Amino acid sequence: DIQMTQSPSTLSASVGDRVTITCRASQTISMSLAWYQQKPGKAPKLLIYGASTLHSGVPSRFSGSGSGTEFTLTISSLQPDDFAVYYCQYYFTYWTFGQGTKVEIK
Amino acid sequence: QVQLQESGPGLVKPSQTLSLTCSVSGGSISSGYYWSWIRQHPERGLEWIGYISYSGSTYSDPSLNRRLTMSIDTSKNQFSLKLSSVTAADTAVYYCARLFDHGGKVADYWGPGNLVTVSS
Repeated sequence: DIQMTQSPSTLSASVGDRVTITCRASQTISMSLAWYQQKPGKAPKLLIYGASTLHSGVPSRFSGSGSGTEFTLTISSLQPDDFAVYYCQYYFTYWTFGQGTKVEIK
Repeated sequence: QVQLQESGPGLVKPSQTLSLTCSVSGGSISSGYYWSWIRQHPERGLEWIGYISYSGSTYSDPSLNRRLTMSIDTSKNQFSLKLSSVTAADTAVYYCARLFDHGGKVADYWGPGNLVTVSS
């Protein structure tokens, strides 16, 4: 099975910072990679799919890139609403989630 | 705007069957999407359970196959999950979600979640 590993596990940042989260697959995968944001007590919210396609309604400060085994989620200028946990997900024949990255206030 | 809502008991005894229903509003469950169950363990993170098409075709995590039944009721705009022989390891928040195709199935709309605790 393909394993997805995110880094870092926790990221401390300030409003306005550029933030990058990395997701590594245990083997080369297609572009079937999504990113989700989750806030406490809420369901995950889709941000990006196909590694780099922004889901409808998601602010343009979010972007995704990568291929092969390494993918990144970038927030160009962190906003107060962005403090949350972020998950990557491989979604081809089956789903595998990363363990999550918590973005907290510095 | 599509909305999903899980319903079912919050407490299930060990060895019994966990049953959940997801009600879909704001769109037809027969509209060509897939419908999925995902759970989130406090310690083990997000775990995909499986999905069902509007025609009733299912695909699920092999580790849960023996215990899992998914069904869909297009007349009620609902789909359901039954997980048998539950143990404490099945304690989790259970989410239902709508899936669309993009080189695989992507979840774009989620229900708010239903916490299920397995305990005697």
